[in-house]
Amino acid sequence: QSALTQPPSASGSPGQSVTISCTGTSSDVGGYNYVSWYQQHPGKAPKLMIYEVSKRPSGVPDRFSGSKSGNTASLTVSGLQAEDEADYYCSSYAGSNNPPYVFGTGTKVTVL
Amino acid sequence: EVQLVESGGGLVQPGGSLRLSCAVSGFTFSSCWMSWVRQAPGEGLEWVANIKQDGSEKYYVDSVKGRFTISRDNAKNSLYLQMNSLRAEDTAVYYCARVGVHPRAFDIWGQGTMVTVSS
Repeated sequence: QSALTQPPSASGSPGQSVTISCTGTSSDVGGYNYVSWYQQHPGKAPKLMIYEVSKRPSGVPDRFSGSKSGNTASLTVSGLQAEDEADYYCSSYAGSNNPPYVFGTGTKVTVL
Repeated sequence: EVQLVESGGGLVQPGGSLRLSCAVSGFTFSSCWMSWVRQAPGEGLEWVANIKQDGSEKYYVDSVKGRFTISRDNAKNSLYLQMNSLRAEDTAVYYCARVGVHPRAFDIWGQGTMVTVSS
């Protein structure tokens, strides 16, 4: 099971929007509505931002939204703020495959 | 406060062993699947292993099968990862993570513990 494919980098100015893609296969992203997204600041642990494709945990701003089409999921950050600058990773459940969870390659978001 | 605190990392020679621990507080540990996720220096996240609430089911990524063992002690609110026959490519920060209220998502993470495999 290979890692999910994300663009290495994305950027936007404050107030703008940025969208990150996460491409897998029908065995993971396309097969389950269990895509999640994590934000990681340097030297810190990842933080759950989106689960089940588009749901936000309590406390996550509604500037963060998720979607999925076929084997590709997306995370959109609207109204970019300086604190959004971080690495973002997608993850998908892959059922009885090994491994049952696969992460994306990661995207560095830069706020210009 | 919900908290996961890892310990046990360090420098070990290739072929050596380490046992990581994750102390849990602030939630009902025995109700949750738990996982270990690692991150090699400058690299992305990699799921390593997970364990069911009662320890009856355990799963591993292929690269650690036969070398790593995940376990838990619900009475002590603790998660463990026994790592044997360590290789240079096992060098990483190891995080324990909870699969909690949100299905198939890691909603709580520890701060991580660094494992360095080098001679």
